[in-house]
Amino acid sequence: AQKITQTQPGMFVQEKEAVTLDCTYDTSDPSYGLFWYKQPSSGEMIFLIYQGSYDQQNATEGRYSLNFQKARKSANLVISASQLGDSAMYFCAMREGIGTGGFKTIFGAGTRLFVKA
Amino acid sequence: DGGITQSPKYLFRKEGQNVTLSCEQNLNHDAMYWYRQDPGQGLRLIYYSQIVNDFQKGDIAEGYSVSREKKESFPLTVTSAQKNPTAFYLCASSIAPWTAGTSGVFSYEQYFGPGTRLTVT
Repeated sequence: AQKITQTQPGMFVQEKEAVTLDCTYDTSDPSYGLFWYKQPSSGEMIFLIYQGSYDQQNATEGRYSLNFQKARKSANLVISASQLGDSAMYFCAMREGIGTGGFKTIFGAGTRLFVKA
Repeated sequence: DGGITQSPKYLFRKEGQNVTLSCEQNLNHDAMYWYRQDPGQGLRLIYYSQIVNDFQKGDIAEGYSVSREKKESFPLTVTSAQKNPTAFYLCASSIAPWTAGTSGVFSYEQYFGPGTRLTVT
């Protein structure tokens, strides 16, 4: 069963505007972590932000914030003040730990973001 | 600078040949991982290693083999048994979860290499 769903294959945003990338997840484990990664055209994966399942507040890292709605099992990434360099693939990921000792991270299919000048 | 190196960036092989992808890290991380990425898909775990001389299969280990003889190195061999080997391969490393503390077992970051794009014809 698919555990991470990113429903937006591609998104366009105007430079300097905010954009929300959607992510929903499925787990029966009460303890888990949620991540967002950026993959530029060069290929490497860049860690952006993390949210723990027990964290009371939404995570923020500079222009990135994670809109965590636990009851809805959603973990949307918000990028404020988009820049041309934000054009990339963005992956949502989840880590469950009980069965694999915290080693297994599951990735969504990704959303390609295009920032227009 | 600390980081992960993968070589080569592009690799071409004929069908039926085994090929080994290199992954080296100087971050002093205990854990290392190999992922496969296909167009339009996320990353899928091939193998991971928690410590030297130990490794476990991930979700798509068939047709692949690994070794972990040194802490810094985690090479991946794509064997002729892998039915569809053409893909983008990413290596990653991290601290071991048990060193992250109770609250940090899920929060540790994985550091990724630049990837190797393998084409088999």
